Amino acid sequence: GIQVEQSPPDLILQEGANSTLRCNFSDSVNNLQWFHQNPWGQLINLFYIPSGTKQNGRLSATTVATERYSLLYISSSQTTDSGVYFCAVTSGYSTLTFGKGTMLLVSP
Amino acid sequence: DAGVTQSPTHLIKTRGQQVTLRCSPISGHKSVSWYQQVLGQGPQFIFQYYEKEERGRGNFPDRFSARQFPNYSSELNVNALLLGDSALYLCASSLASTGGGSYNSPLHFGNGTRLTVT
Repeated sequence: GIQVEQSPPDLILQEGANSTLRCNFSDSVNNLQWFHQNPWGQLINLFYIPSGTKQNGRLSATTVATERYSLLYISSSQTTDSGVYFCAVTSGYSTLTFGKGTMLLVSP
Repeated sequence: DAGVTQSPTHLIKTRGQQVTLRCSPISGHKSVSWYQQVLGQGPQFIFQYYEKEERGRGNFPDRFSARQFPNYSSELNVNALLLGDSALYLCASSLASTGGGSYNSPLHFGNGTRLTVT
């Protein structure tokens, strides 16, 4: 099945800093989504982005499907951004496959 | 509008028992999926239902079963519980699916049911 690798596995930032999270995948995808899981376990859909660029406030994402990667940008980070960020993809009719996530800690 | 709702939020069971978890999708969503998340890992696909039919099944034993009702709500049943079944069980809904656990619209998750098997 398709492989999804996320980097870095862990990230510690000071409040106000910017960051870039990366998701590499091993095959062409027809669906890519970014999720944020907060410390209480709630999983929030950030972007549905099989290709192109989208922005939502301080967050933006870019997927370059031909080169098999996606980037999630977080600008002016806040403590509420802490948690785990997951990239999840489907390829053809495969099930939605999650990466192992990037754990982000934003300190005040 | 209400999001995806799951019940109960927490559950403690002993080995060998059976458990039923419930999920109500976002209004208008016809696709419901179930995921298992163990500590430190990403969610793993268990089942997908669309229009009350099973459209996908992950690599889980037959002790796991599910169904979707005419109002699109869903239940996940796990029989003969094992210690390794302890996890966060997440339900997700989407407008549509391409089947087999694949989606062509954003996926929205509930807050999950945390199951502990002792």
